Amino acid sequence: GQSLEQPSEVTAVEGAIVQINCTYQTSGFYGLSWYQQHDGGAPTFLSYNALDGLEETGRFSSFLSRSDSYGYLLLQELQMKDSASYFCAVTGGFKTIFGAGTRLFVKA
Amino acid sequence: EADIYQTPRYLVIGTGKKITLECSQTMGHDKMYWYQQDPGMELHLIHYSYGVNSTEKGDLSSESTVSRIRTEHFPLTLESARPSHTSQYLCASSGTGADTEAFFGQGTRLTVV
Repeated sequence: GQSLEQPSEVTAVEGAIVQINCTYQTSGFYGLSWYQQHDGGAPTFLSYNALDGLEETGRFSSFLSRSDSYGYLLLQELQMKDSASYFCAVTGGFKTIFGAGTRLFVKA
Repeated sequence: EADIYQTPRYLVIGTGKKITLECSQTMGHDKMYWYQQDPGMELHLIHYSYGVNSTEKGDLSSESTVSRIRTEHFPLTLESARPSHTSQYLCASSGTGADTEAFFGQGTRLTVV
């Protein structure tokens, strides 16, 4: 089966850097994705890592270590609008399974 | 902008009714998914499909059924709705191979009274 673990909540101040970790267990692994979801909205795709290393997209970066079954999402120069839930997701075989989500609170 | 649509957006129905939640995508994606999500909680995979005439149950036991007769259409049916089915239902699609970004519809918020 597949399972993912990530912290339930993180709080940071505007302008800071925050890292959200994700560990996973899966039978069959294609890649690790990150999604953002604002209250009342649908999840939107942020990044995808199939290979070890860091992927950077603007203020957001995502890292993967396949040998450690571990990844993280790094958010830099935090803005108030970054307050949302962040989900890691594992794609294996034909399906994508999501973690429980990390609620990020950005304070002024 | 994602071209995946769900109808209705909101639905309130009585216990015992049969309902179908519609999901359509115009991106030609092979893979489609249904997730169930309570407010502020995780997404649970209830059904997925990797192509026409293929459907599989997800990790969360569900009393719903799905069909995939056409690539673009993936409806979810509840034969007899119960209050425990009250939740938000999110449909998503993604391409095959390295194209793994999932696009989500806006969801159907279902309330069974």
